[in-house]
Amino acid sequence: DTAVSQTPKYLVTQMGNDKSIKCEQNLGHDTMYWYKQDSKKFLKIMFSYNNKELIINETVPNRFSPKSPDKAHLNLHINSLELGDSAVYFCASSQNAAHEQYFGPGTRLTVT
Amino acid sequence: AQSVTQLGSHVSVSEGALVLLRCNYSSSVPPYLFWYVQYPNQGLQLLLKYTTGATLVKGINGFEAEFKKSETSFHLTKPSAHMSDAAEYFCAVSGSRGAQKLVFGQGTRLTINP
Repeated sequence: DTAVSQTPKYLVTQMGNDKSIKCEQNLGHDTMYWYKQDSKKFLKIMFSYNNKELIINETVPNRFSPKSPDKAHLNLHINSLELGDSAVYFCASSQNAAHEQYFGPGTRLTVT
Repeated sequence: AQSVTQLGSHVSVSEGALVLLRCNYSSSVPPYLFWYVQYPNQGLQLLLKYTTGATLVKGINGFEAEFKKSETSFHLTKPSAHMSDAAEYFCAVSGSRGAQKLVFGQGTRLTINP
């Protein structure tokens, strides 16, 4: 059983397009996150949702819009893709701050 | 606010030798500390965590780490390296109060020489 799953695993697209990445967790956790890992492997949080409510938005451009239809899902929609958006995007979930975050396998986004 | 510094972006050890990966943190509230491992083209897997209580924590695959508040450190060790330990290792901190987010160090790539 996959705890945190993401689709797609790879995404190649052209500048200016709009794309979405989906994330689902079957752990019953209340909190979900999106992280971005750049080409130097640096990981930085983008968003966090708790019970479908946005609680963290880390100075991410407005072109990025997360949506949480229920507490098991957190999707990421990106408008007008730019070259600098190329990265690996990780979804994660946790029960609360004292508990570890479980990460999905990542989505490698390449913008050409 | 929290921050993490991992000393050494690349560490190389021989198989069977001690592994020591260094992590120092800064936190305005009592921290929760984590070590994650990332194998090539995979997600992050938790090795171990410190929240409260015993300052020496043991994790998976023979790794352990010690929380030293006076030194603001959480170094990761393993007595004897295996070839399978080759990976990227990330130290992370979150606050026990406030926003629930992990702040990561820049990562340390561990290479094991046969």
